[in-house]
Amino acid sequence: DIVMTQSPATLSVSPGGRATLSCRASQNVDRYLAWYQQKPGQAPKLLIYYASTRAAGVPARFSGSGSGTEFTLTISSLQSEDFAVYFCQQYTVWWTFGQGTKVEI
Amino acid sequence: EVQLVESGGGLVQPGGSLRLSCAASGFTVSSNYMSWVRQAPGKGLEWVSVIYSSDNKFYADSVRGRFTVSRDDSRSILFLQMNSLRPEDTAVYYCTREVTGDDAFDIWGRGTVVTVSS
Repeated sequence: DIVMTQSPATLSVSPGGRATLSCRASQNVDRYLAWYQQKPGQAPKLLIYYASTRAAGVPARFSGSGSGTEFTLTISSLQSEDFAVYFCQQYTVWWTFGQGTKVEI
Repeated sequence: EVQLVESGGGLVQPGGSLRLSCAASGFTVSSNYMSWVRQAPGKGLEWVSVIYSSDNKFYADSVRGRFTVSRDDSRSILFLQMNSLRPEDTAVYYCTREVTGDDAFDIWGRGTVVTVSS
């Protein structure tokens, strides 16, 4: 299985600040990498797919980058509704998820 | 509106069975790649199974031989038959739809809770 490792586990950011989340794959996944946001008691929501393509309706403050084994999700100016857990997912070989990064105030 | 609604979760004893359902609206399950994903309490996400529009089906190692995915095309409902359930199968089960032309999951249901305990 391809193992996805996210860092940090928890990220403390002030509203209006910038958040940078990292995701590393145990082997090359090309650009087949997605990011999801999950709030308590809710299902995950797709933010980014194919490493850098924003899903429909996702604000431009969310951006993704990377390829191969190193990926980044950047939230440029955190809004109150952005405090949540973020998961990365590879889909080169089946699907595996990272353990999540919690973005908190 | 495009949405997925799961049902069928509950409390079951180890070794028991459950059948989960996922009703789609706004699109047809037969024309899309559909997966089940689960999330154990306080844990991350684990892909469980996929059914392709061709009706090919694949499973995670942890459930292969115990779980079966199927669909009812006439009613646009996805199913997950779960047999020989174990405590480690306890989780929220989500059904998902894949992005057309990509393999990320763009539509998720709200989930149904499965608890395996004596």
